[in-house]
Amino acid sequence: AQSVAQPEDQVNVAEGNPLTVKCTYSVSGNPYLFWYVQYPNRGLQFLLKYITGDNLVKGSYGFEAEFNKSQTSFHLKKPSALVSDSALYFCAVRAITSGTALIFGKGTTLSVSS
Amino acid sequence: DGGITQSPKYLFRKEGQNVTLSCEQNLNHDAMYWYRQDPGQGLRLIYYSQIVNDFQKGDIAEGYSVSREKKESFPLTVTSAQKNPTAFYLCASSIGRERLNEQFFGPGTRLTVL
Repeated sequence: AQSVAQPEDQVNVAEGNPLTVKCTYSVSGNPYLFWYVQYPNRGLQFLLKYITGDNLVKGSYGFEAEFNKSQTSFHLKKPSALVSDSALYFCAVRAITSGTALIFGKGTTLSVSS
Repeated sequence: DGGITQSPKYLFRKEGQNVTLSCEQNLNHDAMYWYRQDPGQGLRLIYYSQIVNDFQKGDIAEGYSVSREKKESFPLTVTSAQKNPTAFYLCASSIGRERLNEQFFGPGTRLTVL
């Protein structure tokens, strides 16, 4: 069965420090992986995706993610966190059994302090 | 201004009532989806549609119904059979049936059962 795990409910970092939000996945076949961000009472915004190619994917707002096939991970990173990055982050994998729908992790709340 | 709209933003329902959540997109996307978001559980797929006049059940379809009579519209009805309908409902769409395309999300509808 396909699944996505985000092992940390919350990540706290100071502004200006690098941040990492972790994601591991379990799929059969090639994984198609996504990161989304959600601000309070809003819809999800697409950040980046990995389909194939370079293991380091660059996305919106200075975020990037590193795909690691051997560790089945797709961690989200940013070199220097901003207070405005504080939000709920979701990792997702494309489902095989539900057409083009996504399977989401439970989300990680990122809190960036000034 | 292209995008996905959901209405209403907030919806209150008495027990035993059916309610319909609206989702409209002007992105000319073929595929549309409904997800339910509960605190700490991420997003779960209710229904999806990859083409007009066709839709499929997701992981938690019981107590819900949908229709896809027009490409731009994918309304969700929460029936009285749904035992715990209080949640945040998100509609999304994607360009086509390819698995590589990211989904775009609407702003959501928060449903509360009184």
